[in-house]
Amino acid sequence: DTEVTQTPKHLVMGMTNKKSLKCEQHMGHRAMYWYKQKAKKPPELMFVYSYEKLSINESVPSRFSPECPNSSLLNLHLHALQPEDSALYLCASSQEAGLNQPQHFGDGTRLSIL
Amino acid sequence: AQKITQTQPGMFVQEKEAVTLDCTYDTSDPSYGLFWYKQPSSGEMIFLIYQGSYDQQNATEGRYSLNFQKARKSANLVISASQLGDSAMYFCAMRDRGGSNYKLTFGKGTLLTVNP
Repeated sequence: DTEVTQTPKHLVMGMTNKKSLKCEQHMGHRAMYWYKQKAKKPPELMFVYSYEKLSINESVPSRFSPECPNSSLLNLHLHALQPEDSALYLCASSQEAGLNQPQHFGDGTRLSIL
Repeated sequence: AQKITQTQPGMFVQEKEAVTLDCTYDTSDPSYGLFWYKQPSSGEMIFLIYQGSYDQQNATEGRYSLNFQKARKSANLVISASQLGDSAMYFCAMRDRGGSNYKLTFGKGTLLTVNP
């Protein structure tokens, strides 16, 4: 079992739906991350939160909206997604956003856009 | 330019044997961190081992060791006594100060298959 919990594990949604992905960690980590991973590819960074503030947005389309309500929670709000957004969405956390800080990942949410 | 290169798309190893997964990296920053992750078919990314650029000794974690050759910019993962459960995708990754806020950059991965 991972110490980063992601819900739901699977999500199927239409292009007009609004849904949210949730991520929770109780390791006291102050940096949290969202990644997108397509099949047979490495993860691609989307967003980084450090001390609950957005520090990196990797030019992600506005149909993806991150939110960090507190130091333990990270959400990704989805709206008007496209079929190419179907992927595995991974959340990760680390002690801080430093060079020597390993990121610990959740099990991911497999998202399918119809 | 590709920062992390994993030249082996797939590797096969017999159970109980050792296997080396290759990783080379490119950075001009003297301070960086190198990481290996394992991703089984179920999808979770599992952190295996870390090596810092100033670490004098090679990192080890149980059956995993990192063969760090700084001058050659290589950070190969060695798995000893392979087990069937080691079958997975393995990603090498690096974090340096060259990008924005210490972004973690992944290689393309090596798919390891352990045969009984």
